[in-house]
Amino acid sequence: KQEVTQIPAALSVPEGENLVLNCSFTDSAIYNLQWFRQDPGKGLTSLLLIQSSQREQTSGRLNASLDKSSGRSTLYIAASQPGDSATYLCSGGTSYGKLTFGQGTILTVHP
Amino acid sequence: NAGVTQTPKFQVLKTGQSMTLQCAQDMNHEYMSWYRQDPGMGLRLIHYSVGAGITDQGEVPNGYNVSRSTTEDFPLRLLSAAPSQTSVYFCASSGRTGRDSPLHFGNGTRLTVT
Repeated sequence: KQEVTQIPAALSVPEGENLVLNCSFTDSAIYNLQWFRQDPGKGLTSLLLIQSSQREQTSGRLNASLDKSSGRSTLYIAASQPGDSATYLCSGGTSYGKLTFGQGTILTVHP
Repeated sequence: NAGVTQTPKFQVLKTGQSMTLQCAQDMNHEYMSWYRQDPGMGLRLIHYSVGAGITDQGEVPNGYNVSRSTTEDFPLRLLSAAPSQTSVYFCASSGRTGRDSPLHFGNGTRLTVT
């Protein structure tokens, strides 16, 4: 069974810092790796999806990488802003019916 | 564009009652799924469907039923509610390919069973 771990569990940074969130997974036969953002009381919003054949994806200030051999993905956020404060989750799995989510990283960006 | 719509937003049930959580999407997505989110447990897959008429069990299916009679709708039925089913329930959908189609989530239903 795929296991997904996110480190750190919580992170607090001043506005403007660049930061990295980590996601590790145990089964390298991954279907895809997705990063999500969840605001309090809301559903998850997809940020980036990396297919198993890809190494990275970028969207604005966000960049996500995937290294299947080491079982790791990182989400890089450049020039963080208070509006980036949220919980960030990653998911990986070997098929649509076997997606596993990490516990999430709670990010606080203070002015 | 509404995306994925879940109703109700909040529900309180007594032990033994039954109810249906509704989920509808307007993106013509083939794949739909139900998750529950619990503190310390993360998101866990309950049931999923890869198309109308096709459903399958996820990680925690016991106590729940689903059906998929149309592409748009994927209701989740609680047969006889138990306190262990107190949770936040999320419905999600993605496109036909699944592999390169991101998951779209609804805003959740917060269920309390007393």
